[in-house]
Amino acid sequence: SQELEQSPQSLIVQEGKNLTINCTSSKTLYGLYWYKQKYGEGLIFLMMLQKGGEEKSHEKITAKLDEKKQQSSLHITASQPSHAGIYLCGAAKNSGNTPLVFGKGTRLSVIA
Amino acid sequence: EPEVTQTPSHQVTQMGQEVILRCVPISNHLYFYWYRQILGQKVEFLVSFYNNEISEKSEIFDDQFSVERPDGSNFTLKIRSTKLEDSAMYFCASRGTAANTGELFFGEGSRLTVL
Repeated sequence: SQELEQSPQSLIVQEGKNLTINCTSSKTLYGLYWYKQKYGEGLIFLMMLQKGGEEKSHEKITAKLDEKKQQSSLHITASQPSHAGIYLCGAAKNSGNTPLVFGKGTRLSVIA
Repeated sequence: EPEVTQTPSHQVTQMGQEVILRCVPISNHLYFYWYRQILGQKVEFLVSFYNNEISEKSEIFDDQFSVERPDGSNFTLKIRSTKLEDSAMYFCASRGTAANTGELFFGEGSRLTVL
């Protein structure tokens, strides 16, 4: 079965600092999704990447998928307290209606 | 903005009782999913549903679980006889596109506590 490894498991950064979260798979990914979850709440979609080498940005968050489509990174520039939460990567095995599998998440805390 | 809505937000039940969790997916979506997240653990797939039938299910989704789309809007998850280990947050999700090319929208979740 497909496993997604996220690193680090948790991260504490000072407000204004940049940070990167990684998501790695042992198998080629068809699609890679990034979600944010606040404790005890639902998953908020951030971005989806499909093509090798693809990069997308939204506000201060940038996500990249490597050429081999086995690793993705999420980069936050000039972090703010509103960025705090759990970041989850989810991946699709193929283009069909298969469910996403998720990594364990990275818990981000941003301190003033 | 369209959203997936779930009820109840929190349910407490006794072990052995039946529980029904309800979801209203986004109105023009065709693909529906249930996931669960035990406290402190990863989000796990339970079941996917399309065209009024289960399209895929995980090992977690045993005979105690069932799903139904009783009308054109609701999508329900039933647990027949709850166990302590069923305590978790249950998320409903829906998608409008046929393939894994579009956003998967999640609801806010239903927290189930089994005593």
